[in-house]
Amino acid sequence: QKEVEQDPGPLSVPEGAIVSLNCTYSNSAFQYFMWYRQYSRKGPELLMYTYSSGNKEDGRFTAQVDKSSKYISLFIRDSQPSDSATYLCAMGTASKLTFGTGTRLQVTL
Amino acid sequence: EAGVTQSPTHLIKTRGQQATLRCSPISGHTSVYWYQQALGLGLQFLLWYDEGEERNRGNFPPRFSGRQFPNYSSELNVNALELEDSALYLCASSLAPTGSGTDTQYFGPGTRLTVL
Repeated sequence: QKEVEQDPGPLSVPEGAIVSLNCTYSNSAFQYFMWYRQYSRKGPELLMYTYSSGNKEDGRFTAQVDKSSKYISLFIRDSQPSDSATYLCAMGTASKLTFGTGTRLQVTL
Repeated sequence: EAGVTQSPTHLIKTRGQQATLRCSPISGHTSVYWYQQALGLGLQFLLWYDEGEERNRGNFPPRFSGRQFPNYSSELNVNALELEDSALYLCASSLAPTGSGTDTQYFGPGTRLTVL
């Protein structure tokens, strides 16, 4: 079993939709939870970073962590075509980050 | 401020050869991380260097090695290349190690290694 599971998609939604991206994990030692966005032929860029269970909001993005269920989510409101990318969840201990395989998102006009 | 830079952009090698990939972190960043991104496997952690020392290593064979120089730039060496080493190799840097509060990892654009 992988430490981090993420549905690879692709996920296709119309512009303006609310997008929900999810990851589950098995390692209870993970302390830090992140979401990265990766455009084609680019390196990943950090979107959200949280240490604790609960919600964290930044503009159109909301990250949710449920440590008891070992489940994290990223919600994107009012999705735009520019949001089309691969979204990677990542979870960390003090010594390394472990990434999900990424979910490919396509926002259509 | 310049971001993380990697060279070369593309590298084509044949099986059994050696590959050397280079990374320059953001100015002031002391931690450098290497990842392999193969198709369908996501980012796999390879190596972490901080202050010139190897701090952690992922589940890769010893033919994957590297080093960090006094200016904090880093080099990844892959010996005895195999076909399955074909992947995008990403370097990231952070101001401080993960968990220390200023540990956001900033990624470079990657080096695409193709092994024929």
